[in-house]
Amino acid sequence: DGGITQSPKYLFRKEGQNVTLSCEQNLNHDAMYWYRQDPGQGLRLIYYSQIVNDFQKGDIAEGYSVSREKKESFPLTVTSAQKNPTAFYLCASRRDSLTTDTQYFGPGTRLTVL
Amino acid sequence: QKEVEQDPGPLSVPEGAIVSLNCTYSNSAFQYFMWYRQYSRKGPELLMYTYSSGNKEDGRFTAQVDKSSKYISLFIRDSQPSDSATYLCAMKSGGGSNYKLTFGKGTLLTVNP
Repeated sequence: DGGITQSPKYLFRKEGQNVTLSCEQNLNHDAMYWYRQDPGQGLRLIYYSQIVNDFQKGDIAEGYSVSREKKESFPLTVTSAQKNPTAFYLCASRRDSLTTDTQYFGPGTRLTVL
Repeated sequence: QKEVEQDPGPLSVPEGAIVSLNCTYSNSAFQYFMWYRQYSRKGPELLMYTYSSGNKEDGRFTAQVDKSSKYISLFIRDSQPSDSATYLCAMKSGGGSNYKLTFGKGTLLTVNP
């Protein structure tokens, strides 16, 4: 099956810990994105990557880091510098095309800080 | 003024009702308009995609775009309990390295049997 997978589905973090959220896609999409979703806030862009070994900060990048070593993988690390990390994290991908230019989302990871 | 404003809801309707979900926007650079449906604790799924003013129909769903008024709508006919979800409008600007999607905050819809 083609699609985007995120793991784990639920993640618990203690104060001061770094945690890494996985995102994998087998759609052969060029671009990948990380969003954070909070109740009543909508989707906010954290980081995005248009191509392997390159990525850019989104609107709320502070306290997060990413890597893009492979086309199909775009992991997100939530560092201890992120003061309010409890949220629902969504990964998305997009094929850079003039005719099909929409993002497709994974199932999400819910992160809770204990 | 926010770039995208979406009616916050929540919206509760009886089964079989016609539902209207709406977004307004201020950025004339928005070129493509999308509606996503998000069930509780799931990722958003693309429902409708359109780029021109007018109506686009897909089964019980109709997406309407009025670029002159900067207004988009999603209509759901014969609504079903399975339509209960949060609906997000999204608007695309730019392309290539400048591609950006801007989302509304979502409208929570409940269809009561």
